[in-house]
Amino acid sequence: EDQVTQSPEALRLQEGESSSLNCSYTVSGLRGLFWYRQDPGKGPEFLFTLYSAGEEKEKERLKATLTKKESFLHITAPKPEDSATYLCAPASGGSYIPTFGRGTSLIVHP
Amino acid sequence: DAGVTQSPTHLIKTRGQQVTLRCSPKSGHDTVSWYQQALGQGPQFIFQYYEEEERQRGNFPDRFSGHQFPNYSSELNVNALLLGDSALYLCASSLSRGVGETQYFGPGTRLLVL
Repeated sequence: EDQVTQSPEALRLQEGESSSLNCSYTVSGLRGLFWYRQDPGKGPEFLFTLYSAGEEKEKERLKATLTKKESFLHITAPKPEDSATYLCAPASGGSYIPTFGRGTSLIVHP
Repeated sequence: DAGVTQSPTHLIKTRGQQVTLRCSPKSGHDTVSWYQQALGQGPQFIFQYYEEEERQRGNFPDRFSGHQFPNYSSELNVNALLLGDSALYLCASSLSRGVGETQYFGPGTRLLVL
């Protein structure tokens, strides 16, 4: 059974204070790992897809990396508007159906 | 380019009733997936529709059923509602066999069962 663990559950940062979010996963035959951002009461917003260990992708202040067992979402010099829940979701097999973690709730204080 | 749309945005039902939620996929997408997200949890996969057929199903009872129409839009039906069905219901669309089959989500329908 696919398993996903995100840590920490919650993270409070000061504006400009860089940090990383962790996603540990156990899936059979990783086909892709997805990162989403979700604001309260809204649908998840797609950020990145990573396909193989060693791959990195960047978007503004966010950078996602992937190893065989973990993915990290690095946030550089965050701003208050980066406050949201960040969801990690690896997909296995031929289905590309992602299994979502519980997310990391990020709050960035001005 | 219209994204994924869902209706209604909010819904209140009582136990035992039936509900239908609707989803229109992102332009150009042919696959629709439905998820249930309880408060404080990640989305849980209900099922996926492609070519008007259920292609995959998660661990949800038969009270949850769906349909996909020729224009790729989709409905989620839930019968005999339980209090535990209260959640945010998310629709996601993707392009089958597209690059990574990345799923794009709609805004969700908030269902409250009293």
